Amino acid sequence: DTAVSQTPKYLVTQMGNDKSIKCEQNLGHDTMYWYKQDSKKFLKIMFSYNNKELIINETVPNRFSPKSPDKAHLNLHINSLELGDSAVYFCASSPDNTYNEQFFGPGTRLTVL
Amino acid sequence: AQSVTQLDSQVPVFEEAPVELRCNYSSSVSVYLFWYVQYPNQGLQLLLKYLSGSTLVKGINGFEAEFNKSQTSFHLRKPSVHISDTAEYFCAVSPTGGGNKLTFGTGTQLKVEL
Repeated sequence: DTAVSQTPKYLVTQMGNDKSIKCEQNLGHDTMYWYKQDSKKFLKIMFSYNNKELIINETVPNRFSPKSPDKAHLNLHINSLELGDSAVYFCASSPDNTYNEQFFGPGTRLTVL
Repeated sequence: AQSVTQLDSQVPVFEEAPVELRCNYSSSVSVYLFWYVQYPNQGLQLLLKYLSGSTLVKGINGFEAEFNKSQTSFHLRKPSVHISDTAEYFCAVSPTGGGNKLTFGTGTQLKVEL
């Protein structure tokens, strides 16, 4: 009965590889988000989708590409991974893009070697 | 643009003692204010939020926060902490005009000791 789930929980990979992180929410929400939490625990929004449409796109390298096949899913694909991409990535959702509470997934810890 | 400052990166406190975690923000527009908690190896969970009305907001687990517009602060308090309150606490803001873009502070690690 997990509300916001992410897979995988841990991801260890080599520099230069391409990887994806998947997010699913079963709350019936319209809006989903990706956040990056760095090694100092600083959280910063990367992207937001509302009804499968991109509405927030922060200054993120082009190597990061979000994809929303439907309202319940928001995946994050990362090309040509770099050491600096190592972080914890959190997915979140909210009923719509005006609602004030976001519900977070458990996070995916990405380690680039 | 908004920014959030949490001056205390770590706050050690003994069990059953009171605690205050400080949060100050800067914004050119009106904002909503939030406190989230992150337990070890978990995602973030909303503790409480201020949208409008009474400046004293009560949240889950006995926490409360007070919005002070003149000081642009939203400090979090609990009168008596428990070991289980050990976690990372994040203050965040989002513009009232919509978009729901959360800007977070750098977090405060609350460590409750026996």
